[in-house]
Amino acid sequence: GENVEQHPSTLSVQEGDSAVIKCTYSDSASNYFPWYKQELGKRPQLIIDIRSNVGEKKDQRIAVTLNKTAKHFSLHITETQPEDSAVYFCAASGANDYKLSFGAGTTVTVRA
Amino acid sequence: EPEVTQTPSHQVTQMGQEVILRCVPISNHLYFYWYRQILGQKVEFLVSFYNNEISEKSEIFDDQFSVERPDGSNFTLKIRSTKLEDSAMYFCASQWVGNTEAFFGQGTRLTVV
Repeated sequence: GENVEQHPSTLSVQEGDSAVIKCTYSDSASNYFPWYKQELGKRPQLIIDIRSNVGEKKDQRIAVTLNKTAKHFSLHITETQPEDSAVYFCAASGANDYKLSFGAGTTVTVRA
Repeated sequence: EPEVTQTPSHQVTQMGQEVILRCVPISNHLYFYWYRQILGQKVEFLVSFYNNEISEKSEIFDDQFSVERPDGSNFTLKIRSTKLEDSAMYFCASQWVGNTEAFFGQGTRLTVV
């Protein structure tokens, strides 16, 4: 089955700086890659997603890049703010198999 | 905005007891899932449900687990005889179609004592 690896496990950045989280996946059939943000004790919420026919997608301060050949994808948060502090999960799912395989999560702390 | 709702928010049960976790997915969604998250760990897939049947299940989803969609709106997860290691946050999720946003419920925290 799909195996998603995520790094780093923790990330501390100064407010205003950028944060980058990287994920790799194992199944070349995976074609949908969402990123979820989870605040303490709350549900995961989608912040951005990308499909395998696209190399990059941006939504305001958040961008995701995908390298299908290398089977890795990354989340970029620019101009970080304290409210960006949360756990971020990458995930992957395939064409015939829609379940999400999650990475282990990255705890992002934005220092004011 | 429509959302997935789960009840109860917290359930404490004795080891060996049966529990039923309830979910109301978003009304026009077709794909339903249960995931679990042990404290401090990643979200793990348990089971997917489509067209009134299980479409896939993980190794975690053994004979002690079952799912039902009894009435076209509710989606339930039953654990027949709970074990200490079943203690986790259980999330229900639904999707309109595959490989689109999966909407998660707020979770049920299950504590087995």
